[in-house]
Amino acid sequence: DTGVSQDPRHKITKRGQNVTFRCDPISEHNRLYWYRQTLGQGPEFLTYFQNEAQLEKSRLLSDRFSAERPKGSFSTLEIQRTEQGDSAMYLCASSFGANQETQYFGPGTRLLVL
Amino acid sequence: AQSVTQLDSQVPVFEEAPVELRCNYSSSVSVYLFWYVQYPNQGLQLLLKYLSGSTLVKGINGFEAEFNKSQTSFHLRKPSVHISDTAEYFCAVQRTSGSRLTFGEGTQLTVNP
Repeated sequence: DTGVSQDPRHKITKRGQNVTFRCDPISEHNRLYWYRQTLGQGPEFLTYFQNEAQLEKSRLLSDRFSAERPKGSFSTLEIQRTEQGDSAMYLCASSFGANQETQYFGPGTRLLVL
Repeated sequence: AQSVTQLDSQVPVFEEAPVELRCNYSSSVSVYLFWYVQYPNQGLQLLLKYLSGSTLVKGINGFEAEFNKSQTSFHLRKPSVHISDTAEYFCAVQRTSGSRLTFGEGTQLTVNP
């Protein structure tokens, strides 16, 4: 396993711009999760997929946020019209099968909105 | 809904001393319990988990945790810490296998020489 990968690792953008992050889960992991972590806080759940189906969305996921997993493999998280409050670390995790309680995390994408 | 409280935001200790990081949780149903560690500018790494069975759980890097249902606690312990254990530690709960994790706010463990 190569682990969960995320791209980019860092993103600086201006307020009002759109950004998109990508997550590649561990191969054959059917569940994929997105979390957001602000400075000094624990991660907060945003959404998760089983294969291509989005099973749950947090109320944190405003209408400016959208996530997709079109072929049940990689996932993208898009933030439209970014705001300074969107500055955070965006973490992706994946899990699989009989051990699906265990989520394996990627290194995260750190977003700074100026 | 579930919630997690990590009772100490910062824990400074000297190298080779024992350490305990405290975690209490609240839930109306049975939950799975986890401890993750996060090194600077990295993602989270699983230390250990409690699903059922023995209440004493052993994890990686010499860490262990004890589940106490009556006190709704899941404290993390290590008998002798190293400088390399300096990191942020997160306690988390999960209602059902494969569902979302709910995290505490984290405890910064700093090991001093």
